[in-house]
Amino acid sequence: ETGVTQSPTHLIKTRGQQVTLRCSSQSGHNTVSWYQQALGQGPQFIFQYYREEENGRGNFPPRFSGLQFPNYSSELNVNALELDDSALYLCASRRWDQSNQPQHFGDGTRLSIL
Amino acid sequence: QKEVEQDPGPLSVPEGAIVSLNCTYSNSAFQYFMWYRQYSRKGPELLMYTYSSGNKEDGRFTAQVDKSSKYISLFIRDSQPSDSATYLCAMSASRNDMRFGAGTRLTVKP
Repeated sequence: ETGVTQSPTHLIKTRGQQVTLRCSSQSGHNTVSWYQQALGQGPQFIFQYYREEENGRGNFPPRFSGLQFPNYSSELNVNALELDDSALYLCASRRWDQSNQPQHFGDGTRLSIL
Repeated sequence: QKEVEQDPGPLSVPEGAIVSLNCTYSNSAFQYFMWYRQYSRKGPELLMYTYSSGNKEDGRFTAQVDKSSKYISLFIRDSQPSDSATYLCAMSASRNDMRFGAGTRLTVKP
């Protein structure tokens, strides 16, 4: 069984730029969530995708957006990058019909903003 | 006040010790409670998962949930150097999102 995979593992950008992060969900998982983990903090929920639509969003501005594809993989897009966007971005997946089961995480993309 | 409070530590114990990790929370709607372990440069790895109140044991790990006190705990028996990591408590009320504590950094010394 293939777990959650994310790419790239590390990315360096400058303020004002745009970035796209990618996630392949675990086999059989149709629901993908994205989290931001700042250094020394716990992950914070950004949003969740199911059936290619956003299904729940945390307290993040609209410049954080996403996509889900028919194969359940997902992208996180961040526009107009700010220094505070430097963090580990985590993707987690599960099956929608198993909401009583916990999510499984990938190893994340570490984004550094200069 | 944060929705989930977790002492960030760091916590250092000798090998073989019993470790107690705790979180408190304020949202009474939380009904799913998780403990994740996160090694450096890795994503969180699920350790324990509990629904509602009660205890759950898995090998050297025991998770306890006390909803009346809004308090959850993770106990690690016979701790090993390989247990050295950051431990994150997480909880959720719905399908959508989990709320995490800040994580406790644990070091188990040989």
